[in-house]
Amino acid sequence: NAGVTQTPKFQVLKTGQSMTLQCAQDMNHEYMSWYRQDPGMGLRLIHYSVGAGITDQGEVPNGYNVSRSTTEDFPLRLLSAAPSQTSVYFCASSYEEGTGGYTFGSGTRLTVV
Amino acid sequence: SQQGEEDPQALSIQEGENATMNCSYKTSINNLQWYRQNSGRGLVHLILIRSNEREKHSGRLRVTLDTSKKSSSLLITASRAADTASYFCVPRAGANNLFFGTGTRLTVIP
Repeated sequence: NAGVTQTPKFQVLKTGQSMTLQCAQDMNHEYMSWYRQDPGMGLRLIHYSVGAGITDQGEVPNGYNVSRSTTEDFPLRLLSAAPSQTSVYFCASSYEEGTGGYTFGSGTRLTVV
Repeated sequence: SQQGEEDPQALSIQEGENATMNCSYKTSINNLQWYRQNSGRGLVHLILIRSNEREKHSGRLRVTLDTSKKSSSLLITASRAADTASYFCVPRAGANNLFFGTGTRLTVIP
């Protein structure tokens, strides 16, 4: 049981490039979310999903797209990378509201130059 | 705002001492959760306390909740160097997503 797996762990992009951050969980969790963590700002929600085929925007969705074609996978796409998107990105999942905490991946450190 | 506010922002103690962190929030909640994040690593769920509970224990952790004051505290007893991390409280009001504040940064000095 691997939990939540994020890839890659590190990435450097040039401004304007696009890429996809991968997130996969093997716990059959319905709920999945993407967060970014910046110094002094805590974690901010980017997008989330309550099940396959359903996604919604969080606090800071601009510049990011998501899809949820399967229960296991929740990729985050950066459409045209900007230096402001330099951050650490975390994916998290939970199987049911209110019954426990979320399981987080180990994060992706992204630098946009 | 749906996030919790942790206090103090930073705390430094000697190994073996107890560490107390406080949390205040503004909304009605179903439960409140505490998470830990070691430097440069992911978040780990520590403990969940429901709105009808006043106190909960898990190992060296003790959490209290006062819904009338909209506050919670996390006590770590007999601290260890490995407890050095940032701690976050997350009040849950039924939404499917989590809102995090900036946390309390705990340093345990060996």
